[in-house]
Amino acid sequence: DGGITQSPKYLFRKEGQNVTLSCEQNLNHDAMYWYRQDPGQGLRLIYYSQIVNDFQKGDIAEGYSVSREKKESFPLTVTSAQKNPTAFYLCASSLNDRGVGNQPQHFGDGTRLSIL
Amino acid sequence: RKEVEQDPGPFNVPEGATVAFNCTYSNSASQSFFWYRQDCRKEPKLLMSVYSSGNEDGRFTAQLNRASQYISLLIRDSKLSDSATYLCVVNIRAGSYQLTFGKGTKLSVIP
Repeated sequence: DGGITQSPKYLFRKEGQNVTLSCEQNLNHDAMYWYRQDPGQGLRLIYYSQIVNDFQKGDIAEGYSVSREKKESFPLTVTSAQKNPTAFYLCASSLNDRGVGNQPQHFGDGTRLSIL
Repeated sequence: RKEVEQDPGPFNVPEGATVAFNCTYSNSASQSFFWYRQDCRKEPKLLMSVYSSGNEDGRFTAQLNRASQYISLLIRDSKLSDSATYLCVVNIRAGSYQLTFGKGTKLSVIP
């Protein structure tokens, strides 16, 4: 089955710890994205990557880091510098825009991160 | 004007009703528009893209009004399973890969 897999589904972090959220896709999509969703709020873009070995900051990148060493994988690290990390984290992917407008994004089922 | 704005609802409608959601967007140069559906504590799922001429998928109809900068979603013959939050999504930053998500409109279909 083609899709996007996020793990773990639930994650607990102690204050001062870095944690890494996994996102893997087998859709052969070029672009990948990380969003954060807080209760009652819309999705906010953390980082995105259009191609392997390249990524750009989104609207709320502070306290987060990413890497894109493989097309299939786009892990997100929530660092200790992120003071309010409790949220629902969503990874998405899409085909590249080929000049005819954006392609829709397809989401993994998310990781819920909580602070102990 | 907010980048992407939706009425948060909730819209509480009886089964079989027709319900319409509107969404306004700030950038007249935006070219890509989508409706997503998000169930409680789940990921958003693409419901339909919105095309300039309007498009229909079964009980769902999406329309775009560029002059007034809004898109709409019409759901006919509402089912209990339609209960969810409906997200309006627009490429506000035209020419970039970024999509901007509205906060969503909550729909509850009541028996």
